[in-house]
Amino acid sequence: NAGVMQNPRHLVRRRGQEARLRCSPMKGHSHVYWYRQLPEEGLKFMVYLQKENIIDESGMPKERFSAEFPKEGPSILRIQQVVRGDSAAYFCASSPSGDTDTQYFGPGTRLTVL
Amino acid sequence: AQKVTQAQTEISVVEKEDVTLDCVYETRDTTYYLFWYKQPPSGELVFLIRRNSFDEQNEISGRYSWNFQKSTSSFNFTITASQVVDSAVYFCALSERGAGSYQLTFGKGTKLSVIP
Repeated sequence: NAGVMQNPRHLVRRRGQEARLRCSPMKGHSHVYWYRQLPEEGLKFMVYLQKENIIDESGMPKERFSAEFPKEGPSILRIQQVVRGDSAAYFCASSPSGDTDTQYFGPGTRLTVL
Repeated sequence: AQKVTQAQTEISVVEKEDVTLDCVYETRDTTYYLFWYKQPPSGELVFLIRRNSFDEQNEISGRYSWNFQKSTSSFNFTITASQVVDSAVYFCALSERGAGSYQLTFGKGTKLSVIP
């Protein structure tokens, strides 16, 4: 079974551009989580989605960030008008259901904002 | 609010030594899960183990063992006879069940360097 897929693995954007990060969960997994890893802050939860629904976005910055998990296709984390402080590794994880299941992580997307 | 503390920022050991990584957690929930993940230099996050709050049995998997003690809110991880391939950052994480969201709260990680 293929694991969690994330693309691109590395993304470079200039300030003010948009960044789109994609995550395809493991086969059979319908729950997706996004985390951000900043150098001084460690790994932080951003958002939890099921197909077509945002369940918990308590960790998402209020502005410029959005996430979706459509019925068909990968989950997308979108960052509009990127700033240097958005430079980080963004990890996606998936699980079969939300409750008792382990979250399995993708390889991450390293975003660099110039 | 839930919290995970990994007091050891960096540890260096010589190959074949045993090493224990500490993890202390805080939660008000009676039902929760604890995890360890490994992040090798290549950057991905690799799942190692999950324990639920009702199961305090220690676990051994090859050279890895875990000691879960609710009385001290600790979930420590021991690597026996360490190898260079064990060099990585290790994260302890907690997931509460009471809030309805299954987000993981991570510690800041312990960077383990195994010297040949």
